[in-house]
Amino acid sequence: DAGITQSPRHKVTETGTPVTLRCHQTENHRYMYWYRQDPGHGLRLIHYSYGVKDTDKGEVSDGYSVSRSKTEDFLLTLESATSSQTSVYFCAISESGQGADQPQHFGDGTRLSIL
Amino acid sequence: AQKVTQAQTEISVVEKEDVTLDCVYETRDTTYYLFWYKQPPSGELVFLIRRNSFDEQNEISGRYSWNFQKSTSSFNFTITASQVVDSAVYFCALTSNNAGNMLTFGGGTRLMVKP
Repeated sequence: DAGITQSPRHKVTETGTPVTLRCHQTENHRYMYWYRQDPGHGLRLIHYSYGVKDTDKGEVSDGYSVSRSKTEDFLLTLESATSSQTSVYFCAISESGQGADQPQHFGDGTRLSIL
Repeated sequence: AQKVTQAQTEISVVEKEDVTLDCVYETRDTTYYLFWYKQPPSGELVFLIRRNSFDEQNEISGRYSWNFQKSTSSFNFTITASQVVDSAVYFCALTSNNAGNMLTFGGGTRLMVKP
């Protein structure tokens, strides 16, 4: 299994509060990704990183920010959580970019509920 | 824009039956990559296979086989002699060299294998 740890695994919080999810990898992969999974939508890319301090937006980036200060850690922040951000969040990593040559490997997910 | 359609939202079979999961994709790129992932009830995402657009050979891995047909933009997944442990949600995904690191997922097919 790829060495990916997501924390926390479960979180319940209230609307308007800030939330930070952490993804930690031990594979020294350059690329890291944050997805959200919602019924009927599969997984949708929120943000990704292609190196330390290098990040870019994905398909559903509004309301989210990310940071990567170290190769091994990629943080996803909801500055002011809303109920529409209730979802399961997955972190993924890959050696090469574009997801092309190497598959992305996923963490176990974080279930986030915003009341 | 890229798109992946998994028209079957849910399939139920009895153990030992063969089952095919359909995946139809859309992309304007000539170089692209297709993936299948499995999400068992425990929730993690498991990489199954990657196929590039230049390789139309079908692939078999044990009870699993994949049929890639560019003419119909399909990348179907067949499980032979299904087992209860095959019960999961299966996702088809697509990326390309012009996709900007975005992996586009289908909505998933939930497979239930009954004993």
